[in-house]
Amino acid sequence: GAGVSQSPRYKVAKRGQDVALRCDPISGHVSLFWYQQALGQGPEFLTYFQNEAQLDKSGLPSDRFFAERPEGSVSTLKIQRTQQEDSAVYLCASSLGSSSTDTQYFGPGTRLTVL
Amino acid sequence: TQLLEQSPQFLSIQEGENLTVYCNSSSVFSSLQWYRQEPGEGPVLLVTVVTGGEVKKLKRLTFQFGDARKDSSLHITAAQPGDTGLYLCAGAVFDDMRFGAGTRLTVKP
Repeated sequence: GAGVSQSPRYKVAKRGQDVALRCDPISGHVSLFWYQQALGQGPEFLTYFQNEAQLDKSGLPSDRFFAERPEGSVSTLKIQRTQQEDSAVYLCASSLGSSSTDTQYFGPGTRLTVL
Repeated sequence: TQLLEQSPQFLSIQEGENLTVYCNSSSVFSSLQWYRQEPGEGPVLLVTVVTGGEVKKLKRLTFQFGDARKDSSLHITAAQPGDTGLYLCAGAVFDDMRFGAGTRLTVKP
């Protein structure tokens, strides 16, 4: 079966533009996570959904970042008025259940470059 | 300050050598996971440890969870070029995972 897919794979934006990053999780997976990974660093947690409910958004760095998962499957991470410091790889992961020990399956990421 | 500190940050060794990388924290975790990430891809789960003192083996990889569940180690025996990658540890914080910055391993043939 298909794994987690993300689109676009690469995005170049001019500073101040809005961007939308899409994540298609594995079908039937309850939990969905977004992470931000800067160059040479580990993934930093952004937000977590259980079905359509956003249970934790404590990692979102500012109110310019917004995530949604309206039907409990596909999720979109939106960044408004992008800044250069937003340049990073944005990773999405999904897991079957809601336990922290459930295996998270990661997508390949979207590399965002803000000029 | 990282919740999980990984060391060393970089490691370059010759094929056939053994190595150990570490993941340390002042926090107690209900579980800890190790991932391997290759360029242009997302991390892939290697193992989950949940019990203090637990040791798990995966072929040439040995994972240990500290007795106090605050730290972990990954030992690789007879490293191969295919082991090259970024090794990440992640600890469970409620329902979320928090990652360390990783150890970037290069195994030269």
